[in-house]
Amino acid sequence: DAKTTQPNSMESNEEEPVHLPCNHSTISGTDYIHWYRQLPSQGPEYVIHGLTSNVNNRMASLAIAEDRKSSTLILHRATLRDAAVYYCIPGWGYGNKLVFGAGTILRVKS
Amino acid sequence: NAGVTQTPKFQVLKTGQSMTLQCAQDMNHNSMYWYRQDPGMGLRLIYYSASEGTTDKGEVPNGYNVSRLNKREFSLRLESAAPSQTSVYFCASNPTGGRPQHFGDGTRLSIL
Repeated sequence: DAKTTQPNSMESNEEEPVHLPCNHSTISGTDYIHWYRQLPSQGPEYVIHGLTSNVNNRMASLAIAEDRKSSTLILHRATLRDAAVYYCIPGWGYGNKLVFGAGTILRVKS
Repeated sequence: NAGVTQTPKFQVLKTGQSMTLQCAQDMNHNSMYWYRQDPGMGLRLIYYSASEGTTDKGEVPNGYNVSRLNKREFSLRLESAAPSQTSVYFCASNPTGGRPQHFGDGTRLSIL
C-alpha cells in the first residue's frame, strides 16, 4: 500500500476556497487516488477520486500532479458543514479495501 | 433511503462476553466491509466480503468472525470481548468492481 502524508490539521474561513494537500510518493501506476471525509460522529463519505487527470464533481475538485506523487483536494467555497476529517487514500480500482491514514482535520471558521 | 444500517448504535460489554454487530444494506451491493476506528486514528479493515458466500481477512481480523448471511446482511461477531476491542465499528458496502464505498453511522462499543 502506498504511504500518504497529510497535514494533521488546517483551518479555513467560511466562503473561502480550501486546498487540502496529500503526498503519495510511493503510489503505483494503477492506483487511483480516493478522497473521503468523515463528519463528526458519522461514517466516512466519498468525496472524489481520480487516476491521472484533474476531476470535478458537485462536492469538490481533485488536482493530481503530473508525476502523480501528490494531489490536492479543492473545496471551492468552504461552509461550516465541510468541517471534517479528510482522508487521501491511494488504492487499486475504484475503492476496494481502502486503507485509511489519520487524515487532515479541517476546521471552518464563520 | 436507508443505505447502510448498523445495529446497535451503542453497546457496553464486559470482558469475555460475546456480541454480534449487525449490518444491512438496501442498495443491492455485492461487496461489504467491516472496519474499526480507534480514537484519533483512521479506519482499519477487519474483514470484507467481495460477494455473497465469500469472506476474507483484512488488516486486523484477530478476535473477530464474520458471516455474510445473504446479499443484504453482513454480521461481525466478537466471541470473547476484550478491552482492546473497544472501538467504533463501521460497516460499508459497494458494488462489485469498485465504485465508492457507502458507510453506516457506526456502532460504538465499549468493553469493560
